Amino acid sequence: NAGVTQTPKFRVLKTGQSMTLLCAQDMNHEYMYWYRQDPGMGLRLIHYSVGEGTTAKGEVPDGYNVSRLKKQNFLLGLESAAPSQTSVYFCASSYPPTSGDTQYFGPGTRLTVL
Amino acid sequence: RKEVEQDPGPFNVPEGATVAFNCTYSNSASQSFFWYRQDCRKEPKLLMSVYSSGNEDGRFTAQLNRASQYISLLIRDSKLSDSATYLCVVSGGGKTSYDKVIFGPGTSLSVIP
Repeated sequence: NAGVTQTPKFRVLKTGQSMTLLCAQDMNHEYMYWYRQDPGMGLRLIHYSVGEGTTAKGEVPDGYNVSRLKKQNFLLGLESAAPSQTSVYFCASSYPPTSGDTQYFGPGTRLTVL
Repeated sequence: RKEVEQDPGPFNVPEGATVAFNCTYSNSASQSFFWYRQDCRKEPKLLMSVYSSGNEDGRFTAQLNRASQYISLLIRDSKLSDSATYLCVVSGGGKTSYDKVIFGPGTSLSVIP
């Protein structure tokens, strides 16, 4: 099993450009999450999904959109990137019936917006 | 006040030392508690869950005090490989347990030879 994978690993954008980050998991987990991590701030939840076709806002959703068309994939979109979105983005998944609230993380995407 | 606060660190300790990390949380309705470990430029990984009765896993002991809204992690006989950032995580207390998953800012540990 690959676990949780993220694409791309690194990206540099100019202000106003758009991009989509892809998260994929092969553990048949129902729940998936997108976080951003900034120095001194800890991880902050952007959006999450509790099943295929469902999404919900987390703590810092503004400027991001998500989609969960397939159970194994969770996409994070930036429609018009801003320098404040420079961060490391982590995707995670969990399956409460067997693993409780334990979250399994992908390796992260390092995004720089110039 | 931040919802989850941790010792600011960094902690620099010699091999073999015992080190304790503290974490406080503000939401009394929180239900689940964890310690995660994050190596430099890597993703967080679960170290251990924290139960009201306290739990131990080898050299690691976690304690929860719900009345004081306080969580601790004790590492005995520190190894060089324990060098990492330790994240306190609290969940529950929102409409679902998922919109209230709060990560602390982390405490950095460096174990020195």
